[in-house]
Amino acid sequence: GAGVSQSPRYKVAKRGQDVALRCDPISGHVSLFWYQQALGQGPEFLTYFQNEAQLDKSGLPSDRFFAERPEGSVSTLKIQRTQQEDSAVYLCASSSTGFNEKLFFGSGTQLSVL
Amino acid sequence: SQQGEEDPQALSIQEGENATMNCSYKTSINNLQWYRQNSGRGLVHLILIRSNEREKHSGRLRVTLDTSKKSSSLLITASRAADTASYFCATVDNYGQNFVFGPGTRLSVLP
Repeated sequence: GAGVSQSPRYKVAKRGQDVALRCDPISGHVSLFWYQQALGQGPEFLTYFQNEAQLDKSGLPSDRFFAERPEGSVSTLKIQRTQQEDSAVYLCASSSTGFNEKLFFGSGTQLSVL
Repeated sequence: SQQGEEDPQALSIQEGENATMNCSYKTSINNLQWYRQNSGRGLVHLILIRSNEREKHSGRLRVTLDTSKKSSSLLITASRAADTASYFCATVDNYGQNFVFGPGTRLSVLP
């Protein structure tokens, strides 16, 4: 596609609900990253995929967070039993190779947990 | 945890003036990148400087890197109101396994 696409753009969840956030990277991009961004802060790394392999998930804050990229293209970030502290913007980025090249970001999903 | 730290946290200037933002980091890096983020949008890549480079230019942007001081600066010359955004530095370590953003500098360019 022309750019990284994320959906939904906005998501409101009641505390305890499960949510799924989708990322459609640029076609052919091998690497895919998820970041969490709190208001007024820089993006915090969550997890990284190379094709379908999840090579680093050290940034996931708890076992309620789960990410997958089963066919090496579209990725889903799932948050189970959402808490208020999960409220943030979730950014997805892709690159043609890996960390040593520039990242292309989507517009993000703004998650609000009430 | 965030490795890069931008300075200042916020900067307000008049149109036409130059804006300088600084980034300091802690560990050895492979490269350092600067990104821009408009309110409510994703980040957009501006420029990448590798550890063996000292200076790079792109249009009105000038980036320097001092690996001995573990610092970088981003200079925007002849600023425009449209440059109003948050600017982030991101470092990539020598193993290419860690891509860390700083907290950002919020730039306001007043017309």
